[in-house]
Amino acid sequence: AQTVTQSQPEMSVQEAETVTLSCTYDTSENNYYLFWYKQPPSRQMILVIRQEAYKQQNATENRFSVNFQKAAKSFSLKISDSQLGDTAMYFCAFMTYFGNEKLTFGTGTRLTIIP
Amino acid sequence: KAGVTQTPRYLIKTRGQQVTLSCSPISGHRSVSWYQQTPGQGLQFLFEYFSETQRNKGNFPGRFSGRQFSNSRSEMNVSTLELGDSALYLCASSFDGTNYNEQFFGPGTRLTVL
Repeated sequence: AQTVTQSQPEMSVQEAETVTLSCTYDTSENNYYLFWYKQPPSRQMILVIRQEAYKQQNATENRFSVNFQKAAKSFSLKISDSQLGDTAMYFCAFMTYFGNEKLTFGTGTRLTIIP
Repeated sequence: KAGVTQTPRYLIKTRGQQVTLSCSPISGHRSVSWYQQTPGQGLQFLFEYFSETQRNKGNFPGRFSGRQFSNSRSEMNVSTLELGDSALYLCASSFDGTNYNEQFFGPGTRLTVL
């Protein structure tokens, strides 16, 4: 079974600063996907970024980037130039290659951007 | 293209009752997954349906069941409701569930059991 751990229940950062959210996972699988999802207050969960385990290059999407350390089973999210709209719960999630869409989520980090 | 829709958005039931929640996937999507979100347990996978067949199931009691129709719409049913079933129930749809297909989440149905 896979587990995903997010050790930071809450974080806050000033607008325009950079913040890093941590995530570790445990699996015996070699092929899998890792994701960061964002759930704004009372709004729908949306995908922020994904990483395929076989790719050594870290994924980047505009202001969002990840630091994927496969050997350490670590998958952190860096948000640069943070904006007020980044305020949300952030969930790290794991899915095996043939997992039939089953996502295993971490407990989430509540991120608040302070104006 | 319309997003994933879930009905109803809010629901209040009493212990012992049963409830049916509905999820309409994005047009063309054939896979629908269901998740339960609670403050205590977080987000937990319930089950996934593809082409009217349940392909994957999480660790929930048999009171939780689901089905998928030929138009890919899905319903989940919870019988004999317990207080602990109070949660936000999310569904997510993806294109065909093979290889990688991004899952798109609906707004959720918030179920309160009194």
